[in-house]
Amino acid sequence: NAGVTQTPKFQVLKTGQSMTLQCAQDMNHNSMYWYRQDPGMGLRLIYYSASEGTTDKGEVPNGYNVSRLNKREFSLRLESAAPSQTSVYFCASTLAGGSSSYNEQFFGPGTRLTVL
Amino acid sequence: GIQVEQSPPDLILQEGANSTLRCNFSDSVNNLQWFHQNPWGQLINLFYIPSGTKQNGRLSATTVATERYSLLYISSSQTTDSGVYFCAVEKNYGGSQGNLIFGKGTKLSVKP
Repeated sequence: NAGVTQTPKFQVLKTGQSMTLQCAQDMNHNSMYWYRQDPGMGLRLIYYSASEGTTDKGEVPNGYNVSRLNKREFSLRLESAAPSQTSVYFCASTLAGGSSSYNEQFFGPGTRLTVL
Repeated sequence: GIQVEQSPPDLILQEGANSTLRCNFSDSVNNLQWFHQNPWGQLINLFYIPSGTKQNGRLSATTVATERYSLLYISSSQTTDSGVYFCAVEKNYGGSQGNLIFGKGTKLSVKP
């Protein structure tokens, strides 16, 4: 099992450019998440998808859109990148369900994004 | 929203020493996880521990949910333990959506 994978690992954009960050999991998890991590900070939730076909805003959704393409894949799109979106982006997934142990989250390796 | 505070913010240890990291949270939780972020940025799951005590090798964790804190113990520290340790919680509101709130972390440096 590869777990949670993310592409690309690194990206440099100019202000105003757009791009899509890809995330996939092979653990048959139901819920998926996008977080951002800024220097000296913990992670903050951008968007999440509780199940295939649903998406909801997290703590910091402005400037982002998401798509839950199928059960495995959850993408994050920056339509018009801004320097404030320079960050490390993490995707995560969890099985979710009735048992509380299903709520353990597993993280991908991250994408380091710089917006000039 | 729920507040998560970790202490100490920074910790320097000599190899072989023991340490205790603390996580305080301001509300009832139904999910608490400890992560280690290694120097390469990877987040590694250490414990899923909304209550009780767990042990995994040199690491152990205890969460006292009624008093709203969790402790991570590292014994006989090694240089490979260096990195940032995060506590993350989800508020208990009767359901679960997995929306973790992270503390700012404890940065651990283990010297040889």
